[in-house]
Amino acid sequence: NAGVMQNPRHLVRRRGQEARLRCSPMKGHSHVYWYRQLPEEGLKFMVYLQKENIIDESGMPKERFSAEFPKEGPSILRIQQVVRGDSAAYFCASSPPGTGSGWDTQYFGPGTRLTVL
Amino acid sequence: AQSVTQPDIHITVSEGASLELRCNYSYGATPYLFWYVQSPGQGLQLLLKYFSGDTLVQGIKGFEAEFKRSQSSFNLRKPSVHWSDAAEYFCAVGFSGGGADGLTFGKGTHLIIQP
Repeated sequence: NAGVMQNPRHLVRRRGQEARLRCSPMKGHSHVYWYRQLPEEGLKFMVYLQKENIIDESGMPKERFSAEFPKEGPSILRIQQVVRGDSAAYFCASSPPGTGSGWDTQYFGPGTRLTVL
Repeated sequence: AQSVTQPDIHITVSEGASLELRCNYSYGATPYLFWYVQSPGQGLQLLLKYFSGDTLVQGIKGFEAEFKRSQSSFNLRKPSVHWSDAAEYFCAVGFSGGGADGLTFGKGTHLIIQP
């Protein structure tokens, strides 16, 4: 059973470009979470999605960031017009369908390390 | 506001010695508690979790943690560390209510193992 998969593992963008980060949850999981980890910091929650629905985006920056989890295919975190401050590791986690609460165990992917030049 | 504190940024332990990593949270009710480990350049691996029941939980790799409600703590322990335990350790908490289902993480404790 493959774990949470993220690609690319490393992404380099110039300021003003767009970054697209992909996350494929574990088989059978229908809940996806995105987190951002800045250097020397813990992970910060960004957004929680279920298939075709954004459940909670309270941690998402108001501008330039968006996320989706379509009926088919991976979840996408999109960052438009990247700036140097977006350089970070972005982690995706997934959890199985259950009570609908996020307190099922979250399993993390290896992360995408975004560098903005 | 809810918060998670890992007071030790770095801890150095000799190989074979015991280990305790501290984690405190600020919250009015009983949260859901997790410890994750992150090796350099890697993702997070779940070590153990506490949802309810026995307050002493066993995890993988010989780790255990104890939930102490009176101290709002969930400290991670290991009786004898191995060089391969060198990594970053994160305490994470799930707070019910408030609309957010994301975990709140501490800033991490960097564990260094001395030979």
